[in-house]
Amino acid sequence: ETGVTQTPRHLVMGMTNKKSLKCEQHLGHNAMYWYKQSAKKPLELMFVYSLEERVENNSVPSRFSPECPNSSHLFLHLHTLQPEDSALYLCASSQDPIGSYEQYFGPGTRLTVT
Amino acid sequence: QQQVKQSPQSLIVQKGGISIINCAYENTAFDYFPWYQQFPGKGPALLIAIRPDVSEKKEGRFTISFNKSAKQFSLHIMDSQPGDSATYFCAASMEGAQKLVFGQGTRLTINP
Repeated sequence: ETGVTQTPRHLVMGMTNKKSLKCEQHLGHNAMYWYKQSAKKPLELMFVYSLEERVENNSVPSRFSPECPNSSHLFLHLHTLQPEDSALYLCASSQDPIGSYEQYFGPGTRLTVT
Repeated sequence: QQQVKQSPQSLIVQKGGISIINCAYENTAFDYFPWYQQFPGKGPALLIAIRPDVSEKKEGRFTISFNKSAKQFSLHIMDSQPGDSATYFCAASMEGAQKLVFGQGTRLTINP
């Protein structure tokens, strides 16, 4: 595997389900990010992790819970989601969280909440 | 002040033509301006980037033009090809920031 991988690629879940999205980066980077991409909207930054510590939480509802067990892995735990949470969730990584602007994105998880 | 405004939302260009996408920003502290390209089913990928100490950067058929006084920058795709059909995002960041601020995206279609 190379670059940034995400699983699953597609996920359909009910509003009462609990599921998790997984991201893995194979680039030796120190920072990882979660973004939400909805139709006709800019990419919305959700969370930033630097060396496994959360450094930014962009007013994201508590039904989204991130976890970064090490610098290569990032999870997004989902529970009691709403239909408006349906979107493409993108993971990204960069060498450093500050001063290194190049971010490398995974292919995303297409989430549908029914 | 943290916004980056991108236009147009969608663009159709004939094969061989020039595609131009524009972005404008307010925050003069921004010092890094990348463009990302996203194909359907894929994540965005860095295409080309510029810093404000130069007014133009060219990589192959892709050129960024930067106007610091107007706080605008644009992506030009010369000799546009059907394989260039994708969504393009401009972005901006600044020294010490931990994030990129993205524009709304432009869906580019190159007709054969």
